[in-house]
Formats: sequence, structure tokens, C-alpha cells
Amino acid sequence: EVLLTQSPGPLSVSPGERITLSCRASHHIASALAWYQQRPGQAPRLLIYYASIRATGIPTRFSGGGSGTEFTLTISSLQSEDSAVYYCQEYNDWPPLFGGGTKVEIK
Amino acid sequence: QVTLRESGPALMQPSQTLTLTCSFSGFSLLTSGVGVGWVRQPPGKALEWLALIYSDDDKRYNPSLENRLTITKDTSSNLVVLTISNLQPVDTGTYYCGRRIVGDYVDVWGKGTTVSVSS
Repeated sequence: EVLLTQSPGPLSVSPGERITLSCRASHHIASALAWYQQRPGQAPRLLIYYASIRATGIPTRFSGGGSGTEFTLTISSLQSEDSAVYYCQEYNDWPPLFGGGTKVEIK
Repeated sequence: QVTLRESGPALMQPSQTLTLTCSFSGFSLLTSGVGVGWVRQPPGKALEWLALIYSDDDKRYNPSLENRLTITKDTSSNLVVLTISNLQPVDTGTYYCGRRIVGDYVDVWGKGTTVSVSS
């Protein structure tokens, strides 16, 4: 079973900053990785699928990269509404597994 | 517009069976490759896939709960139902349903329904 490890730990960043979140898979999963954003009290929202494809309606400041075992989610020019927990999820096998999440707080 | 909405009881007792219903619109479960799945989230914790049903009626269950889960669909009514037997307090959390269209990830989520298991 694949394990997903997300880093860094909780972040507190200023508006306009650029951040890169990491998701590391314990086994090779090709590009079968999605990223979600979950704002407080809300359902998750799909940001990225197949590691780098932006979902419909997602702002261009969100970008995904990587393949194999190392993946990144970059948010350029953070905005206040980006305050959320970000989860990666692999879907190379069943059951799909989520990472533990990275909390991003906007100062 | 694709929407999904979960419904079910808010409070359950241990050992009971939970029935959750996902009603959806804006897509059909008759379309090849489409699926509807269930994901849950204990309070303050990460997400966990539970089950997925595909348009061809193939069903997948998380092995960690497989003997407790049953997923069914009613394509004429646009409903997917998940039952979880032998509930325990650790099953407390928010339960989401969502659409699957290409890979086993959710592209559109419902708002979720919260279930508390307590005696």
C-alpha cells in the first residue's frame, strides 16, 4: 500500500508570497495524483489531477508538478482565500489514499 | 451544473447500521466510466475513501472496512446509497459523496453530512 507524506508542516505566510507544497509517495505512482483544497468548514475542492492538470475554474496561480514519487503544488502570489488545508491523493491503486494534509494560513 | 447532496441521520448508536444517500444531478451514472464514491473525514483528521460504484455496477470497497460497507445505485432516480454496519464511535465524522469521471479522484464534491456515533 502506498503511503503519502506531505510537507512542510503548517505554514503561516503573507499575501503575495509564493509557496510550494510537497507530496511524496512511498511507491511509484506515475502521474496518478490529485490535489485538493479544503477551506474551514467546507468540502474539499479539486485543484489538480494527473499531477499537473488544473481542474475547471481553478485560478492559474495554482500549479502542480512531478511524477513517480515526488509531487509539488505551487501557489504563486497567495491570496487571503487560499487559507486552507491542502491534501494530495494518489489513485494509482485501490483504495485511493490521501496524504495527511498541509495547513496554510494567510497572515 | 453537476451537484451532489448527502443525506442521512446525524446521530447513531454503536452497533447500528448507517444508511447514507447521495442524490445527484447534472450527470448520469449510465455514462461509461463515471462513478460515485464516498469519502469520510473524522473531526480534525484527514480524508479516507470508503467505497466507489461505477456506471457498469462494478463496486470497490476500502479493505479496512469492506465487510461493513455496501454501496448501491439507482440510476433512474440518480441516487447512490452507502450502508455501514456495526457503527462505532470511531465512525464519527463528515461523510462526503463525489463524482468520479476519469481516475479514482473526485472532481465534484457534495457538501457533506455529519454523523455522530455515541451511546
